Amino acid sequence: DTEVTQTPKHLVMGMTNKKSLKCEQHMGHRAMYWYKQKAKKPPELMFVYSYEKLSINESVPSRFSPECPNSSLLNLHLHALQPEDSALYLCASSQQPGTSGGTGELFFGEGSRLTVL
Amino acid sequence: SQKIEQNSEALNIQEGKTATLTCNYTNYSPAYLQWYRQDPGRGPVFLLLIRENEKEKRKERLKVTFDTTLKQSLFHITASQPADSATYLCATENQAGTALIFGKGTTLSVSS
Repeated sequence: DTEVTQTPKHLVMGMTNKKSLKCEQHMGHRAMYWYKQKAKKPPELMFVYSYEKLSINESVPSRFSPECPNSSLLNLHLHALQPEDSALYLCASSQQPGTSGGTGELFFGEGSRLTVL
Repeated sequence: SQKIEQNSEALNIQEGKTATLTCNYTNYSPAYLQWYRQDPGRGPVFLLLIRENEKEKRKERLKVTFDTTLKQSLFHITASQPADSATYLCATENQAGTALIFGKGTTLSVSS
């Protein structure tokens, strides 16, 4: 099983809503990531979890709240978002934390397309 | 901080030709460079990794080179097919070695 599964695939929410994006991997990977991607732009790193602990927060606004309940699951809780937060949110995992561990290869999910009205 | 530059936003070629995509880095020499393919509305898919002590890496019709003097990696697709049409992203580690950073990507269109 070499998949990273993200749900939902599409999410439309208002600025006062609270929603969550979910990500799951069963490859035994010990690092998980959230990236944000706007149209025609590269993925931008948001958060990194290493061994289920938050290791990197790239100065992401507090309206995005990550959570790693166990080594296979990663959530991104959304609250009071702005229309400019509309984007494709990508979850990824890698064998080991840090880019020198293993091959450093990232396995991405298909993404959750978020639209904030 | 490290910057990854893929100067060509778009590349159009005919089927059967070799596509060559360029990735330049601006700061320190990274331990490796990676290449990913991304189709519209989907997550990137890993293709190849080349380490700084490797000159060239091949996988089927794909070839990647790494020139630390030019601070550049070239990504070649030989005998290109319309199915190769996608955006190709170059990536490397950030300075702390804690995560990958990506170039803007080059969108390749192969016409039949």
